[in-house]
Amino acid sequence: DGGITQSPKYLFRKEGQNVTLSCEQNLNHDAMYWYRQDPGQGLRLIYYSQIVNDFQKGDIAEGYSVSREKKESFPLTVTSAQKNPTAFYLCASSIDSSSGLADEQFFGPGTRLTVL
Amino acid sequence: GQNIDQPTEMTATEGAIVQINCTYQTSGFNGLFWYQQHAGEAPTFLSYNVLDGLEEKGRFSSFLSRSKGYSYLLLKELQMKDSASYLCAVRDLSDSWGKLQFGAGTQVVVTP
Repeated sequence: DGGITQSPKYLFRKEGQNVTLSCEQNLNHDAMYWYRQDPGQGLRLIYYSQIVNDFQKGDIAEGYSVSREKKESFPLTVTSAQKNPTAFYLCASSIDSSSGLADEQFFGPGTRLTVL
Repeated sequence: GQNIDQPTEMTATEGAIVQINCTYQTSGFNGLFWYQQHAGEAPTFLSYNVLDGLEEKGRFSSFLSRSKGYSYLLLKELQMKDSASYLCAVRDLSDSWGKLQFGAGTQVVVTP
C-alpha cells in the first residue's frame, strides 16, 4: 500500500544530543514537508522540499536541518541548537506544490520527541 | 502573513449537527482545506474549497466565502468516532510557493 512512514513513533533524547527523524514515502510525490505541532497551536512548517536535492526553510527552521538525496526520503535532524525540541513532528508529502494548485498533503503518523 | 482563527473546542451530542467556523486573512488565497486529526495521529484530509459555495461529502460539508474570508465545516449525524481535532488550513500564493498555513484546530467532543 502507498503511504508515508515515520520512525520512530516515540523518541527520547538527552539535552545536547542531535537526533534524526525518518520520513519515507512511496506515493511518488515530488514535494515533502516537515511540521511541528505543539499543544494549542497549529502545525508550523519547519522545512519543505519541492524536488530532490533542493529544500527551503519554513517558518521555524532554526535548530533543524534536512536533506533530500532521494525522492522517497526526507529526514529531519533536530540539533542541540533547537531550544525547545519536545514536540510532535509530522512529515507530509504532496504531488507538486510548485504548480500553485491546491493539492492536498498526506501526512505520516508522526514522531513524538521528548527531551529529557 | 495571515491569521487563521477557529474556536478552540466544541461539544455536541451523538446524532446532532456541529458547525466549525474558520476565518482567515490572506493576500493570495488559493484554497482552503479541512483536516481531521485524532489524538496522537496524523491529520487526514476531509475537504477542499477554492470557489465560493458548499461542497458535500457524505456527513461532512464544507462552505467557503472568499469575500468574507470565511469557511465552515459541517458535521451531521455526529458519531462518537467524530471526536477529534479539526484543522483549517489555507494556501496562500503570495509567497510564490503556496505553502499551507494551519489554524490551531478545533477540538470536537461528542457525548452520548
